[in-house]
This record gives sequence, C-alpha cells and structure tokens, in this order.
Amino acid sequence: GAVVSQHPSRVICKSGTSVKIECRSLDFQATTMFWYRQFPKQSLMLMATSNEGSKATYEQGVEKDKFLINHASLTLSTLTVTSAHPEDSSFYICSARDRGTINGYTFGSGTRLTVV
Amino acid sequence: RKEVEQDPGPFNVPEGATVAFNCTYSNSASQSFFWYRQDCRKEPKLLMSVYSSGNEDGRFTAQLNRASQYISLLIRDSKLSDSATYLCVVNRIRGSQGNLIFGKGTKLSVKP
Repeated sequence: GAVVSQHPSRVICKSGTSVKIECRSLDFQATTMFWYRQFPKQSLMLMATSNEGSKATYEQGVEKDKFLINHASLTLSTLTVTSAHPEDSSFYICSARDRGTINGYTFGSGTRLTVV
Repeated sequence: RKEVEQDPGPFNVPEGATVAFNCTYSNSASQSFFWYRQDCRKEPKLLMSVYSSGNEDGRFTAQLNRASQYISLLIRDSKLSDSATYLCVVNRIRGSQGNLIFGKGTKLSVKP
C-alpha cells in the first residue's frame, strides 16, 4: 500500500533555531500534501495544504513566514519551523493525497518536536 | 463551534463490553466521513469509512445520519487492544480540494 515517510521522528532543538521536517511519498506521486499539528490531548489541526509547484495554502492563524513549506517535487514536501520557540513544541504529522487508498489520504508517522 | 465535535470521554470499560462513540459535524456540505484510531504518540490510522447505509467491520459498526449531521461508532466485545483514542474525521471540500478535519478524539480504555 501507499507509504509516506516522515523524517525525523523526533527532534530536540534550541530556542531560536530552525528545524526542517521532510515528508516523502515512497511509491506514489503526491501533488497535494497536508501538514497537521497536534498538541497534547488535542485534535490534529490542519496547518497548511502543500501543492507541488505552487505556494502552500495556510489555515487561518498559521504564520506562513514562520512555518515555511516547500513542495518542489511530486514526492517531497518539507516544513521548516523557523526561529522555533518552546510553544512550537508539538507533534507534526504530514499526509499525502493518494487516490489508491480507501479515503485517499496516507499519513506519515509524525515528528515530535521539542524546543528547549 | 468546532467543525467536528465528539464525546469528551474518557471511556473506561471492562473487556467484553459494548461501547458507543458519537460525533457531530457542522458543515452540511461535508462529503465523506471516517473513524480513525490513534495510539499514544503515533499517527492516526484509518479504522473505517462511514456510510449512510451503515457499515460493519467485524466488531465495529459505523453509522452516518446526514440529516442530523451525526456519526457513530459501536464497538462490540471490547478487547484490551481496542484501547486507543478514536477520532471522528470529516472530509471538507474547499474549492477543488479536500482535506480531513479531525475531531478531538475520544479516549477508550479497556480494562481486564
């Protein structure tokens, strides 16, 4: 079945630094990928929709200059958390649109970001 | 009002019990509906899609009522391995694209 690889699975960084998270579709092409964030005991919140070859669409309240998204190829989308702060500590999950699966979406395994 | 609202939980039940989760959604234009399961610190995994006619997968039965914008999940004969958070998910269509909107989840704990 469709596989989405997300890397790294866990990262600890210092406040003020930037962190890049990669999301790759391994056996299918994903023209659309989605980035979610989940705080403890909260639901997954959609941050942005990443479209290959064009600018990402951000949800209301998500700072596009802080969360940089690049979807330069049909198999790779990256999320860069710039100038990270402790309140950015969260579980970040990507999802790719795959028409071969039941509901068309396959999730990465998530990245747990801790900013100290 | 949140787009997808679920029972707050947690549900603590003994093995073998039957448990039901409820969910409501606010956008009447939503087109597809799902239940996902999420284990602690893991990504969500699709449990089953939900159809108006109702659908069953083993011990799991899902139901959709479009008129009342209500979704349910019934788990019969609960197993210890059913312990997880169950997420009600709606596919929101915006323009030419769709994306998944997640409920907050209901935590289920099945005890021996």
